[in-house]
Amino acid sequence: AQKITQTQPGMFVQEKEAVTLDCTYDTSDPSYGLFWYKQPSSGEMIFLIYQGSYDQQNATEGRYSLNFQKARKSANLVISASQLGDSAMYFCAMRETYGKLTFGQGTILTVHP
Amino acid sequence: GAGVSQSPSNKVTEKGKDVELRCDPISGHTALYWYRQSLGQGLEFLIYFQGNSAPDKSGLPSDRFSAERTGGSVSTLTIQRTQQEDSAVYLCASSLAVRGRESDIQYFGAGTRLSVL
Repeated sequence: AQKITQTQPGMFVQEKEAVTLDCTYDTSDPSYGLFWYKQPSSGEMIFLIYQGSYDQQNATEGRYSLNFQKARKSANLVISASQLGDSAMYFCAMRETYGKLTFGQGTILTVHP
Repeated sequence: GAGVSQSPSNKVTEKGKDVELRCDPISGHTALYWYRQSLGQGLEFLIYFQGNSAPDKSGLPSDRFSAERTGGSVSTLTIQRTQQEDSAVYLCASSLAVRGRESDIQYFGAGTRLSVL
């Protein structure tokens, strides 16, 4: 079974608009971490935002926020005021035990001027 | 720079040859990870080093794959007798491995694109 599911292969957004990228996860571990990474065409994975399973508040980092709904096992990334430079592949990932990340399939975001 | 450095950035090899991929982690990071990114399989974990502990090799796809980390710093991923299905981007990441492990951020290099002809 998929541990991390990103159901949107591609998303389009107009510059300056907000966009939500979906991520659902599956784990029986009470302690876990959720991460979002951005991968531009250059290939490097850039860390964006982290949410811990015990965090009471949704994480925010500048224009990025994480809509964490624990009961629904979802951790959607919200990008506000989209910029052309936001066009990239976005990955949701989870860590259950100390060590490896498990990644979703990714969502390609295209920002139109 | 201060980031994770990987070399070479691109590697083209012939089927059956051995290849070595190198990763220089961020200074002071005790944990080092290798992942593989391919069109068919997405992003897959390969191996994880943490300090002097035995590495977690649970993601290595076959015994043709091996990795070592010398002096707790630089790591080399070796693929022996390469096959066409080994063609992928190999990503290295490092982290501080601080307490509160779930929040430990992994920082990635730009990857090595391996093409096996």
